[in-house]
Amino acid sequence: QVQLQQGGAGLLKPSETLSLTCTVYGESLEGYYWSWIRLSPGKGLEWIGEINHLGTTSYTPSLKSRVTMSMDTSKNQFSMDLRSVTAADTAVYYCARHMWRTPYFQYWGQGTLVAVSS
Amino acid sequence: QSVLTQPPSASGTPGQTVTISCSGSSSSVGSNYVYWYQHLPGMAPKLLIYRNNQRPSGVPDRFSGSKSGTSASLAISGLRSEDEADYYCAAWDDSLTIYVFGGGTKVTVL
Repeated sequence: QVQLQQGGAGLLKPSETLSLTCTVYGESLEGYYWSWIRLSPGKGLEWIGEINHLGTTSYTPSLKSRVTMSMDTSKNQFSMDLRSVTAADTAVYYCARHMWRTPYFQYWGQGTLVAVSS
Repeated sequence: QSVLTQPPSASGTPGQTVTISCSGSSSSVGSNYVYWYQHLPGMAPKLLIYRNNQRPSGVPDRFSGSKSGTSASLAISGLRSEDEADYYCAAWDDSLTIYVFGGGTKVTVL
């Protein structure tokens, strides 16, 4: 049974850095792509970026200047940092597994509610 | 504003069929498979349809997908109260080189 367990803080002030982790149980990181996706109030789902087991990353253009994804294969875990957050980054953040260029997001993390407020 | 266009809402009475549209471009829906997700409050999105019209195991056959040109549709037949949720379409976009989603359609069972 593949499970994705998310970790990280959910309450931030403007200009701080959002840091989230996603630990994968029941499967190796190899052979798949691992994405971060967020669900914003009134805006729907938005793909943030992806990483594979080699550390190759790809980010959505609107967030590319502020986001960094990394992987720790020893912990079977991948992470995301989003810098200089604003209220517009308030959302539920999910990690998910898929294949390259295929939005077949079969397994998801439980979601992390992130609120940005002064 | 989402890259894929969906109606914000749809509704029906129990037993009816509700259809949700998803409009994209030649580089997204027109060139790639469409996927559909169901999102219930407090839960992670759930894959309902993949590759335009395929259902993962465990998804009832009341859910069906289709695609023609740059538009796709999700139909929910025999509508049930537990189908009340938000539904999203998704695809890869060859021009933007990102995964794109629709804005979501809230289905209400009257």
